[in-house]
This record gives sequence, C-alpha cells and structure tokens, in this order.
Amino acid sequence: GESVGLHLPTLSVQEGDNSIINCAYSNSASDYFIWYKQESGKGPQFIIDIRSNMDKRQGQRVTVLLNKTVKHLSLQIAATQPGDSAVYFCAPGGGYNKLIFGAGTRLAVHP
Amino acid sequence: DVKVTQSSRYLVKRTGEKVFLECVQDMDHENMFWYRQDPGLGLRLIYFSYDVKMKEKGDIPEGYSVSREKKERFSLILESASTNQTSMYLCASSHRDNYNSPLHFGNGTRLTVT
Repeated sequence: GESVGLHLPTLSVQEGDNSIINCAYSNSASDYFIWYKQESGKGPQFIIDIRSNMDKRQGQRVTVLLNKTVKHLSLQIAATQPGDSAVYFCAPGGGYNKLIFGAGTRLAVHP
Repeated sequence: DVKVTQSSRYLVKRTGEKVFLECVQDMDHENMFWYRQDPGLGLRLIYFSYDVKMKEKGDIPEGYSVSREKKERFSLILESASTNQTSMYLCASSHRDNYNSPLHFGNGTRLTVT
C-alpha cells in the first residue's frame, strides 16, 4: 500500500536560518503533492502544492522541490521564524481527491 | 477564506454512547472528509463524500458511519463509542477538481471516550 515517510521526526533550527523538511513517498503514480502546517490546537493549514509536471515551486518564503526519480520532495523555509514552529505534513495525492498523510515532522525554531 | 467549522472542540463521552460529530463548510465545496489524528500515526481517512447523500469508506471506517444530507454539512457518527476511538477528529473539504485539490481543515474535535 501507499506509504509516506519523513526522514526526521524533529528538526531544530536557529531563528533566521533556512529549514529543509524532507519527505519520501512510495507510490510512483502520485502526481499531486501538498505540504501542510499544523500548529498546536489547530487543524492542518495548506502551505503550498506542486503537480508532477513541475520540479520546483515557490511561495512566500517557502519552496517545494520534487524529485520524481527518487520519489522525494522537500519543503524549504527561508529565514525561519518562531511562528514557523509547527508540525509539517507532506501529502501525496492518492487518487481522486484522496491524500495520503505521513506522521509529520516537528519543526522547532530556537531564538 | 474557506471556513470549516466543527461544532465541538472537546467532547467527553462514555463507552457505548452514540456520538455525533458535526462539520459545516461555507465555500460550497463538493468534497468533504473525516480524518482521525493520533500521535505517531498521522492523519487517517475514515470516510469521505463527493456529493450530497453520497459516501465512501476511507482506510479505517470500522465503528463509524457518516451522513451528508446537505452539501455544506458532513456528520460523523460513532454508533457505540469505544475507548479506542479516543482521538482528534478532523473534518476537511475541497473543491471538486479534475483530479486533486487542496483540503481545507477545521480545527478538530478532541474526543475522549471513558
């Protein structure tokens, strides 16, 4: 079945540094990928998405990179701020409007 | 902005009770979903619906049912609550797309079954 793995369950960074959160997926048929951010006590919040016909997409302070060859995607956050502290999920599309969520990576930003 | 509203933030129920979790979205989305979130397990799909009166089983439907009588409302029902259903429940909605579109989540209902 589909599986989604995250290389690091917890990532600690210094405020102002860049953060990179990695995600591996197993279903080579996945062609749509979303990153979500979940702050404590809240539901997941959409950050950025990317379709498989792209290998890079940029948003405000965030960049998602997709490497379909090795089934890997990453979320890069520039100039990480305390407000970026949260759990981040990658979610490959599992079919018509179905998303497969991994367990998440916790990002801890230290002053 | 899309708003997905879950009627309760916290619920405490007793084993064997019938439990209703309500979710309403205000963006005329066709698709609605119920997930549960447990530490270390991520989000797991319970049921979803692509249209009124339509429902599909997700990955873990056992012990749950759903109701979608109106487009904006999707209810999750625990017929006879058990302690292993203690969890965070998240409702989500999305616009019908050719294939995939982002899900918009509510803030969750934390259910404790004693």
